[in-house]
Amino acid sequence: KQEVTQIPAALSVPEGENLVLNCSFTDSAIYNLQWFRQDPGKGLTSLLLIQSSQREQTSGRLNASLDKSSGRSTLYIAASQPGDSATYLCAVLSGNTPLVFGKGTRLSVIA
Amino acid sequence: AAGVIQSPRHLIKEKRETATLKCYPIPRHDTVYWYQQGPGQDPQFLISFYEKMQSDKGSIPDRFSAQQFSDYHSELNMSSLELGDSALYFCASSYPGQGDNTQYFGPGTRLTVL
Repeated sequence: KQEVTQIPAALSVPEGENLVLNCSFTDSAIYNLQWFRQDPGKGLTSLLLIQSSQREQTSGRLNASLDKSSGRSTLYIAASQPGDSATYLCAVLSGNTPLVFGKGTRLSVIA
Repeated sequence: AAGVIQSPRHLIKEKRETATLKCYPIPRHDTVYWYQQGPGQDPQFLISFYEKMQSDKGSIPDRFSAQQFSDYHSELNMSSLELGDSALYFCASSYPGQGDNTQYFGPGTRLTVL
């Protein structure tokens, strides 16, 4: 059974810092991995999706990497801003199955 | 591009009442997933449908039922509502037939049970 773990559970950084969020999964036979952003009480915003054949994806200040063999993914946020404050969820898709989510990292960027 | 539509966006019910949540997948998507996200929790899979047949079942209570209709929209029916059913309910759709299992999420329905 796939299990997804995110570390740290919460993170507080000053504005302008670069930061890394970690996601690990137990079964490396994945189809893709997705990073979501969720503001309090709001829906899921898809940030980046990495197919199993890819090593990384970039969008603006965000870069996600995938090391399938070691069961790890990182989300790198450059030059963090207060508007980046949210919960970031990692989710793994294995074939035609439901997504398995991690419990998220709650990020606070302090101005 | 068209996205997944969920209705209603917000719903308030009393204990023991019933609720029906609706999901309209992206056009041509034939697979629908339902997820429940309780306060401070990660989304948990409830149930999925492929081509109008139930394809997988997760932690869905017996009080809940769901179906997918001929136009591929899906409804989640919830009866004898409990306080603990208060959550965000997400629907996602996909079209595995085109070689892409990616799930696209709707904005969610926030259910509050009083």
